[in-house]
Formats: sequence, structure tokens, C-alpha cells
Amino acid sequence: QVQLQESGPGLVKPSETLSLTCTVSGGSISPYYWNWIRQSPGKGLEWIGYVHYSGSTIYNPSLESRVTISLDTSKNQFSLRLSSVTAADTAVYYCARDYDPSGKYYYYMDVWGKGTTVTVSS
Amino acid sequence: DIQMTQSPSSLSASVGDRVTITCRASQSIRNYLNWYQQIAGKAPKVLIYAASSLKSGVPSRFSGSGSGTDFTLTISSLQPEDFATYYCQQGYSGPRTFGQGTKVEI
Repeated sequence: QVQLQESGPGLVKPSETLSLTCTVSGGSISPYYWNWIRQSPGKGLEWIGYVHYSGSTIYNPSLESRVTISLDTSKNQFSLRLSSVTAADTAVYYCARDYDPSGKYYYYMDVWGKGTTVTVSS
Repeated sequence: DIQMTQSPSSLSASVGDRVTITCRASQSIRNYLNWYQQIAGKAPKVLIYAASSLKSGVPSRFSGSGSGTDFTLTISSLQPEDFATYYCQQGYSGPRTFGQGTKVEI
């Protein structure tokens, strides 16, 4: 059974770079898409972006200038970097796998990590 | 980008009630629409994919319908464990986008 686990600093200073890693256990990175999603306190879900096992990426346009998502297939991990953070980036960050059960591009996020809380504060 | 709008943003209901949540896309997304349930403090889990396909293991009281721009999630008989926040999400094109959520409360 595939499991995801987010890891990284829980506190980041304003203007610095937030870095998180999601470790995939019980399964392979290929042939899936791997997402990052966040949820600010008391707010809804915000999709940050995804990386395909091939290495291609798509990002939320509202964050694109500050976001990098990358893969490390040798470690079965993928990572999120968000630069120039502010208090508005304080959130629970989730990683999740995209799954297409039919082969017809009906992707949904079927496996999620438990989430990690990141606070931006000096 | 495709915007997703849910209504209502919250609702009060009782055990046994039939509950309907709607989701509207800013342009046609055919049936590339998923529904998630999020219990407070937990990660979301998928209930419905491709607008009307029930994820394996999800109770049959949950159902989804719609295509194009208008979609519905229905809970036929609300159970205590169903009090949660529900999100729609489009996977048709470009960046994934979620609705703002509907909180189902007692």
C-alpha cells in the first residue's frame, strides 16, 4: 500500500525559501503525477503544482514565479521549494498522488500524506 | 484558468437528511470533476471521480452527477461520520483547481 510522508522545517523566516520533501513508500514514483497542495488556517485547498515521473511540471499560475517541484527517483521522493515566503504562505502542506483508474485521463488524487504545518514567522 | 464555484459554502443538516452540494465550472470541463471529503484535521479523501464514478470503498449513499459546467454531490441519508467539508476539483485542463469548499454541519 502506497504511503506518502511530508517532511521539512516547521518554521521558515519571511523572505526565505520553504523546502519540503515527500517520501513515497510501498510503491514507485513511476508512472504517476505527484502533487503539492496547501491549506491556510481555516481556508480551503489550494493546488500548488505537480511533477510527472518524467520530470515535467505544471504550477499554479498564482505561485509559478516562486515555486519549483522536482523529483529524486533514486530516493523515491519529490520536493517543493517556495521562495520569498511571507506570512500568507503559512499553511498545512500536503503531497498527493494523481491516479487514473481508466487510462482515460480521469485523474484524481488517491493517496495523500498526512500534511505538515509550515509557519512563516521571524 | 478554470474557476470552480461551490454552493452553499456551509449548510446545517441532521442525521438522515438528504444533502445536495453544487459545483459550477467557469467553462466546460466535460466530466473531469472529482469530489473530496475532508474531516477536520485530516487529509482529504476522494469520494467521486469522473463526475459520477464512486471510488471503491466509499458508501453508496454518496453519488455524483453532472457534466459540462454544472455538477452535484448528493448524500442520500446523512450519517454522523459525514459531517465534514466537501470540495470539488477539476482535472480537465491546465492547473488543477478546487472549489472553495462546503462545510456540512449539524
